[in-house]
Amino acid sequence: KQEVTQIPAALSVPEGENLVLNCSFTDSAIYNLQWFRQDPGKGLTSLLLIQSSQREQTSGRLNASLDKSSGRSTLYIAASQPGDSATYLCAVKPLSQGGSEKLVFGKGTKLTVNP
Amino acid sequence: GAGVSQSPSNKVTEKGKDVELRCDPISGHTALYWYRQSLGQGLEFLIYFQGNSAPDKSGLPSDRFSAERTGGSVSTLTIQRTQQEDSAVYLCASSLVAGTFGETQYFGPGTRLLVL
Repeated sequence: KQEVTQIPAALSVPEGENLVLNCSFTDSAIYNLQWFRQDPGKGLTSLLLIQSSQREQTSGRLNASLDKSSGRSTLYIAASQPGDSATYLCAVKPLSQGGSEKLVFGKGTKLTVNP
Repeated sequence: GAGVSQSPSNKVTEKGKDVELRCDPISGHTALYWYRQSLGQGLEFLIYFQGNSAPDKSGLPSDRFSAERTGGSVSTLTIQRTQQEDSAVYLCASSLVAGTFGETQYFGPGTRLLVL
């Protein structure tokens, strides 16, 4: 059974710092890995999606890497801003699901960027 | 067009009552998903629709939970005889085509259910 773990559970940093969020998964047989952002009381917003054949994806100040063989992904946020404060969720799409398309999520990292 | 919408945004009910949660996916999206997010827990998968059929219902916690989708569009998640442990945020997502490698799921804002 695929399990996704995110460390740390919470992180507080001063504005301007570069930071790394970690995600690990137990089964390397995945289609893709996705990073989402969740703001309080709101749904999820997709940030980056990395195919299993890819090593990284970049969008603005965000860079996500994937090491499928070791079951790890990192989300790097450069020059953090207070507006980056949110919960960041990592999710994988398992390869063998008998026709299902579900995502398996970690519990998230709650990020606070202090002005 | 508009994103995924869900109604109601908040629902308070008494233990033992039935509730219906509604999801309107993005127009043209054939795949629809329900997830549940309980306090302190990650998102857990409930059910997945491709068109009007549900190839994967494996996440439904008990037979009190059911879902349907009509016309390949709107979906309703029904919880019968609600229990306090059903209190959670219920999230719906849709994607354009299922079964592809890179299909992003777009999430609605969720329905926050509280069972007293």
